[in-house]
Amino acid sequence: AQSVTQPDIHITVSEGASLELRCNYSYGATPYLFWYVQSPGQGLQLLLKYFSGDTLVQGIKGFEAEFKRSQSSFNLRKPSVHWSDAAEYFCAVVSNRDDKIIFGKGTRLHILP
Amino acid sequence: NAGVTQTPKFRILKIGQSMTLQCTQDMNHNYMYWYRQDPGMGLKLIYYSVGAGITDKGEVPNGYNVSRSTTEDFPLRLELAAPSQTSVYFCASSPGPGGPQHFGDGTRLSIL
Repeated sequence: AQSVTQPDIHITVSEGASLELRCNYSYGATPYLFWYVQSPGQGLQLLLKYFSGDTLVQGIKGFEAEFKRSQSSFNLRKPSVHWSDAAEYFCAVVSNRDDKIIFGKGTRLHILP
Repeated sequence: NAGVTQTPKFRILKIGQSMTLQCTQDMNHNYMYWYRQDPGMGLKLIYYSVGAGITDKGEVPNGYNVSRSTTEDFPLRLELAAPSQTSVYFCASSPGPGGPQHFGDGTRLSIL
């Protein structure tokens, strides 16, 4: 079955430290890949997307993600987090074969001052 | 720019009542979606639409109905509210299947 896995339910990092959030997917076709962020009481906001081409994609708010086909991964990174990055992050895939959309269960990011 | 607008923002229903969650978008997007979000469970797709007059079931459609008479509007109907439908509901739209989704701010629904 098609799935998206975010292995970490919660992650805590200190302000200024680097961040990596993990995402693994299982899809037969080459998927479209997304990362979204959700602040409390808000809808989801797109951080970045990967369709094809360069496997390292840049997004908003200083985030980047790298698509690794061999590992079926699309991990989100940021070199230095800010307190305002505390939120929940969702990885999502869309199969370009059947348009089905699958979200991961999310990773909640906590920032220590 | 309004984007995706959901109404109401909050609602409390009694078991067995019905209601419609409204969603409208002003971006001329063909694709629209309804999700529910429960704590620790991420987003589950309820229904989606690829254009006016076309709807299809997602992962958790039972207990819900949708219609898409116009490009702009995609209402979600609960006919017989049940406590299991207590959740936060999000509507989203996108220009196409691979396009980024634009989300509304959600409707928090409690069934008592």
